[in-house]
Amino acid sequence: NAGVTQTPKFRILKIGQSMTLQCTQDMNHNYMYWYRQDPGMGLKLIYYSVGAGITDKGEVPNGYNVSRSTTEDFPLRLELAAPSQTSVYFCARGTGDYGYTFGSGTRLTVV
Amino acid sequence: QKEVEQNSGPLSVPEGAIASLNCTYSDRGSQSFFWYRQYSGKSPELIMFIYSNGDKEDGRFTAQLNKASQYVSLLIRDSQPSDSATYLCAVGSPWNTDKLIFGTGTRLQVFP
Repeated sequence: NAGVTQTPKFRILKIGQSMTLQCTQDMNHNYMYWYRQDPGMGLKLIYYSVGAGITDKGEVPNGYNVSRSTTEDFPLRLELAAPSQTSVYFCARGTGDYGYTFGSGTRLTVV
Repeated sequence: QKEVEQNSGPLSVPEGAIASLNCTYSDRGSQSFFWYRQYSGKSPELIMFIYSNGDKEDGRFTAQLNKASQYVSLLIRDSQPSDSATYLCAVGSPWNTDKLIFGTGTRLQVFP
């Protein structure tokens, strides 16, 4: 997963807690994305960004927030964690023309 | 109708056989097509992309695209147990070139 680094790899949260999932890329790409993947399901787009200072909602944005203050970093914020947010989260960079590169993922459990 | 459809499988093939994975898409204007491999517990990894009608070969993998019929397929020759994974089809959105639309994936099992 060279190029996109996600931290942490695993996290357990209690209901109502908040956390930030970190994502950093090393290629200066403008386009970055956050997906969630539930067991046996496909990827669902949470938020995406087309450049520093520009973000937009995907299919499932509720309960999440993002920021893009630099081209390299695209953190995902969970406020008031709920069991429904238990999932694997993937950050990616790239375009629809050339494909995406994914980070290694963060496995989040909310109990 | 889903934008990108794949049979969820599992598709079971014996070692050494050809595995054929199929994907259909709904947007006729789509121009870019990708196959990702995802091992259990890992992130998706890009293995093939194709832009033009016809076949594109890379080692044991062949991607096939038919825009008139709106389908794209992935053939894996001489399948190995290490090919056992979920294969995701992704299609570039014709309306928003920064977006990929993903299918839900086909699980492939290659048995010895």
